[in-house]
Amino acid sequence: GQQLNQSPQSMFIQEGEDVSMNCTSSSIFNTWLWYKQDPGEGPVLLIALYKAGELTSNGRLTAQFGITRKDSFLNISASIPSDVGIYFCAGVYYGGSQGNLIFGKGTKLSVKP
Amino acid sequence: DGGITQSPKYLFRKEGQNVTLSCEQNLNHDAMYWYRQDPGQGLRLIYYSQIVNDFQKGDIAEGYSVSREKKESFPLTVTSAQKNPTAFYLCASSIRVEQPQHFGDGTRLSIL
Repeated sequence: GQQLNQSPQSMFIQEGEDVSMNCTSSSIFNTWLWYKQDPGEGPVLLIALYKAGELTSNGRLTAQFGITRKDSFLNISASIPSDVGIYFCAGVYYGGSQGNLIFGKGTKLSVKP
Repeated sequence: DGGITQSPKYLFRKEGQNVTLSCEQNLNHDAMYWYRQDPGQGLRLIYYSQIVNDFQKGDIAEGYSVSREKKESFPLTVTSAQKNPTAFYLCASSIRVEQPQHFGDGTRLSIL
């Protein structure tokens, strides 16, 4: 079945640092989504990407839909404490039988001690 | 405000008991979904519904049941056949399948 490999699994950030994370797959996706989940809450949609090569920003967040349609990355610039949480990528494919959305296992962002 | 409402926030189940988790949306979305999330894990699809009176099994449907009698509502029943029900359950909806999903705030189910 289709799988998404999201990396890194976890990372520590210091305020002001830039952060990068990515998702890769052996399968092609039609849409890439990035979500953020705070503890005890549901994921919130940050960015949706619909076309190969598309680069989209949402404030300090920038995400890109890979040219091959098999990957996507998310960058956070000048991180702040409220950026901590778990970030999930998700790929949407058409014509499937499992709800058409596959999630990565998440990247956990924590503050550097 | 438009959104997805899950209730209750916390739920406890006794051995051999069925429990039902509520999910209501006022976004006029056709598609609704239920996911299970375990600590440190991603989201696993339990059931989804593309339209009223229709639903399909996801990856981990065993021990769960759903109904979709109204467009706004997609309740999930965790049956006694689900031997490891302790988890965080998330409901989501989208305009239709293949469109971005929007999530509720989840229900945490624990065993007494």
